Amino acid sequence: GAGVSQSPSNKVTEKGKDVELRCDPISGHTALYWYRQSLGQGLEFLIYFQGNSAPDKSGLPSDRFSAERTGGSVSTLTIQRTQQEDSAVYLCASSISGRAQETQYFGPGTRLLVL
Amino acid sequence: SQQGEEDPQALSIQEGENATMNCSYKTSINNLQWYRQNSGRGLVHLILIRSNEREKHSGRLRVTLDTSKKSSSLLITASRAADTASYFCATGKPSGYSTLTFGKGTMLLVSP
Repeated sequence: GAGVSQSPSNKVTEKGKDVELRCDPISGHTALYWYRQSLGQGLEFLIYFQGNSAPDKSGLPSDRFSAERTGGSVSTLTIQRTQQEDSAVYLCASSISGRAQETQYFGPGTRLLVL
Repeated sequence: SQQGEEDPQALSIQEGENATMNCSYKTSINNLQWYRQNSGRGLVHLILIRSNEREKHSGRLRVTLDTSKKSSSLLITASRAADTASYFCATGKPSGYSTLTFGKGTMLLVSP
């Protein structure tokens, strides 16, 4: 079956503009995760959706960042009033139920460049 | 703060040699996973070792876990140029639903 997909692959925007990044998880996976990876760095956790539970937003760096997951499937990460420090690769992952012992399946990422 | 910390940060070897990467973590875990990332894109799961396991093998990969030292190692034997990538360890909490916490990774370069 299809893996996790993300769009767009690359996004160039101007400082101050809003951007939306999309993630399609593996069908049937109830858990979805967003991470950010700056150049040469590790993964920074942003937000985690698990089933119908309230999302864990503890990793969002500021109130300019928000995410939704509609119908328990597709998720959109929105960054408002983008800043240059938001430039990074944004990775989405999904897992079967969200338990800590599960494998996470990653999408190819969206590379965001804020000019 | 980051749970997993890999070392070395970078490793350069010749094809055919073995590569060993280490990961240390701070709190109790349910499992430890290793992932590979090519060219700064999506991560691919390599192997998972549970907290009650000490060693696990998968093909040319060997993972060890020492919970008393809160450390793990990933050994890639008979390395190939295609193994060139960044390798990350990730830890999961002892129970329940949670995300993984990733380290900063080891960048491995295997030269032909």
